[in-house]
Amino acid sequence: DAGVIQSPRHEVTEMGQEVTLRCKPISGHNSLFWYRQTMMRGLELLIYFNNNVPIDDSGMPEDRFSAKMPNASFSTLKIQPSEPRDSAVYFCASSRQNYGYTFGSGTRLTVV
Amino acid sequence: SQQGEEDPQALSIQEGENATMNCSYKTSINNLQWYRQNSGRGLVHLILIRSNEREKHSGRLRVTLDTSKKSSSLLITASRAADTASYFCATQPNSGNTPLVFGKGTRLSVIA
Repeated sequence: DAGVIQSPRHEVTEMGQEVTLRCKPISGHNSLFWYRQTMMRGLELLIYFNNNVPIDDSGMPEDRFSAKMPNASFSTLKIQPSEPRDSAVYFCASSRQNYGYTFGSGTRLTVV
Repeated sequence: SQQGEEDPQALSIQEGENATMNCSYKTSINNLQWYRQNSGRGLVHLILIRSNEREKHSGRLRVTLDTSKKSSSLLITASRAADTASYFCATQPNSGNTPLVFGKGTRLSVIA
């Protein structure tokens, strides 16, 4: 198993542009999580899905953020329009119930 | 918001010494997990301890859990330079696949 796959690894974009981050979870994992990591705030949960259904998106900072999971093998996190304060490392993780999480390698986003 | 808080924030030891990191949390939990993060990488699951367990071992790792004090410790014995990383505790508040809440981590440096 290749693990949780995120793309791109790095993204540099200009303020105001749309950014789409992608995640392929591990086959058989029924939960998917999007986290954001910064030095100041640590790891913050943005949104999570159980069986492809969004359960809690209260961590999404603003309406500029949206996430989808159209099927069990793919999820996207979109920021539109992006702002410099969105710069962070975004992680996707997947898991089975009551097991540890498997994290992807993350997407380092820089908005200039 | 973070529930787990690791202590110390940073720890520097010589190779071969033992490293102990502590985690305190606030609400009742289903399980507590420890993760490692190398610089520029995603988090890697190390060990999961359930609320009805008091101690768990995995190789050079030993985790304890005291639910009466709402605290856990991670001990790494005979540390190696390769153990240099940030270590996070994460709590799962309820049964079922509710999201983990991560602390801000302990940064461990093992000097060869």
